[in-house]
Amino acid sequence: SQQGEEDPQALSIQEGENATMNCSYKTSINNLQWYRQNSGRGLVHLILIRSNEREKHSGRLRVTLDTSKKSSSLLITASRAADTASYFCATDWSRSSASKIIFGSGTRLSIRP
Amino acid sequence: GAGVSQTPSNKVTEKGKYVELRCDPISGHTALYWYRQSLGQGPEFLIYFQGTGAADDSGLPNDRFFAVRPEGSVSTLKIQRTERGDSAVYLCASALAGTGELFFGEGSRLTVL
Repeated sequence: SQQGEEDPQALSIQEGENATMNCSYKTSINNLQWYRQNSGRGLVHLILIRSNEREKHSGRLRVTLDTSKKSSSLLITASRAADTASYFCATDWSRSSASKIIFGSGTRLSIRP
Repeated sequence: GAGVSQTPSNKVTEKGKYVELRCDPISGHTALYWYRQSLGQGPEFLIYFQGTGAADDSGLPNDRFFAVRPEGSVSTLKIQRTERGDSAVYLCASALAGTGELFFGEGSRLTVL
């Protein structure tokens, strides 16, 4: 079963607008990551936020983490056509030294020119 | 090579046949993951290796699925008596131990007729 669930499942916005995707998860985590997947390709790591962090930035990406609500959000500012892809959150919640990383169901983002 | 390599990129087989999918991780990455992804879904965790040993194989759907990593580098996912429901893209990812960031291959698309 999936640990994380993204919301919305699909999002279509105009180029230049900001895109916000949300992820909710079920159990306590060590860290949370966001990945991007272009159609038919492998996933690419975007950003990792640890459980003791609340916000992180990388270029046009801003990630927040609220451990009390077991949720995270990914904000992409000033969207471009090339941002069209599926975005997945992934949680690392193993209690041992091993890291079992579980992915959510994803948000399909479409940027309209 | 510079990235994670998966072979074959496409495999078409008949129901009941045996299939092997290979993953060459990034040199020096001790952690290796296998995921399965169906159309429109997020990657589903199958198994995780730390070195040569399977640290967590709780995602393997049944005993027809088996994975090995005998020398702590290349891994092979083996599927016996394939069923139509096994059709999916099988993704491999590797990581440096403790970093959490996964580097994915392009996947092996398996089609069982």
